[in-house]
Amino acid sequence: AQSVAQPEDQVNVAEGNPLTVKCTYSVSGNPYLFWYVQYPNRGLQFLLKYITGDNLVKGSYGFEAEFNKSQTSFHLKKPSALVSDSALYFCAVRASNQGGKLIFGQGTELSVKP
Amino acid sequence: EPEVTQTPSHQVTQMGQEVILRCVPISNHLYFYWYRQILGQKVEFLVSFYNNEISEKSEIFDDQFSVERPDGSNFTLKIRSTKLEDSAMYFCASTIPAGHTDTQYFGPGTRLTVL
Repeated sequence: AQSVAQPEDQVNVAEGNPLTVKCTYSVSGNPYLFWYVQYPNRGLQFLLKYITGDNLVKGSYGFEAEFNKSQTSFHLKKPSALVSDSALYFCAVRASNQGGKLIFGQGTELSVKP
Repeated sequence: EPEVTQTPSHQVTQMGQEVILRCVPISNHLYFYWYRQILGQKVEFLVSFYNNEISEKSEIFDDQFSVERPDGSNFTLKIRSTKLEDSAMYFCASTIPAGHTDTQYFGPGTRLTVL
């Protein structure tokens, strides 16, 4: 069965510092991995995805994520955090079939302080 | 930029009542989904819909739930007889299939409160 784990409920970072939000996954077959962000009282916004190819994926708002097959991880990163990055971040994995459902991690609350 | 829209943003209902949550997916998308998020918990898949039929559903999606695409634009989720534990945020999503690269785009959600 597919699963996603986000080991940290909360990550605290000072503005201007690099941030990492961790995600590990378990899936049979090729993983299709996604990061979404949820701001208060808003829906889920797509940030980036890994399907195949280069292990470093770049996405919206300066975020990037590194796919590591041997460690079954897909950590979200940003070189310099902004206060406006404070939000709830979800990692998700999708079945390899077209149109398949997303399986989400439990979410990580990112707090960036000035 | 096209967006998925959902109405209402907040629905309050009495236990046992029927509710219909509405979604307008992005116009050229072909797969439609409902997910829910109970407060403080992870986002859970409920159902996917393609070509006017359910393509996959979760264990949560029992006989009390149904989905429909009544016209060319709306996609609805009906809960026939609501329970207290149905209180959650319900998200609609849609995607245009593109082999393995399709991305699901989510609406802002409907917060359902069952009293």
